Amino acid sequence: DTGVSQNPRHKITKRGQNVTFRCDPISEHNRLYWYRQTLGQGPEFLTYFQNEAQLEKSRLLSDRFSAERPKGSFSTLEIQRTEQGDSAMYLCASSSPGVTQWGEQYFGPGTRLTVT
Amino acid sequence: QKEVEQNSGPLSVPEGAIASLNCTYSDRGSQSFFWYRQYSGKSPELIMFIYSNGDKEDGRFTAQLNKASQYVSLLIRDSQPSDSATYLCAVNGRTGNQFYFGTGTSLTVIP
Repeated sequence: DTGVSQNPRHKITKRGQNVTFRCDPISEHNRLYWYRQTLGQGPEFLTYFQNEAQLEKSRLLSDRFSAERPKGSFSTLEIQRTEQGDSAMYLCASSSPGVTQWGEQYFGPGTRLTVT
Repeated sequence: QKEVEQNSGPLSVPEGAIASLNCTYSDRGSQSFFWYRQYSGKSPELIMFIYSNGDKEDGRFTAQLNKASQYVSLLIRDSQPSDSATYLCAVNGRTGNQFYFGTGTSLTVIP
């Protein structure tokens, strides 16, 4: 078990470009979460997958953001027409049911996005 | 009202002392409570979770949960300089699928 991995680790893009990030969860985890974190803030929930189904999405999430988990394994997060306000660390976490049905979330190293 | 509130600090304690970190949450339906440690430039690392009222101890860490007061705390005994980090409190929302994080408390342990 190598933990949650994310790629790329850093991404610099120009405003208006599309970007896609990948997350590979811990292999036996069926739950996958995406978060966004800016400096001085805690992670902000973006979306949640149980297996391949996207079951929850933040009301604050712009339509420019979309996420998929096609086979219930890895997930991708795409941001279309990036804006400078999208600059942040994008974190992926995974979990499996344990004492509770949600389990404990373990985070990947994150992808740092800079929009110029 | 934010879902999770933490004192942002900074909190400074001398090496060997007890560090006490506090968190309040707004949703009485929350059932899962977590403490994460985050070093500068790194991702959050899970250090404790608690689901039932009372205390839960793991090594130098003790998590305390009081659902009636909607209050969660983390005690770090025998604080070490390596404990210097930001500590994040996280709580699940009413649906259970959405998790809310506080802004974190910055802890510095002075040698």
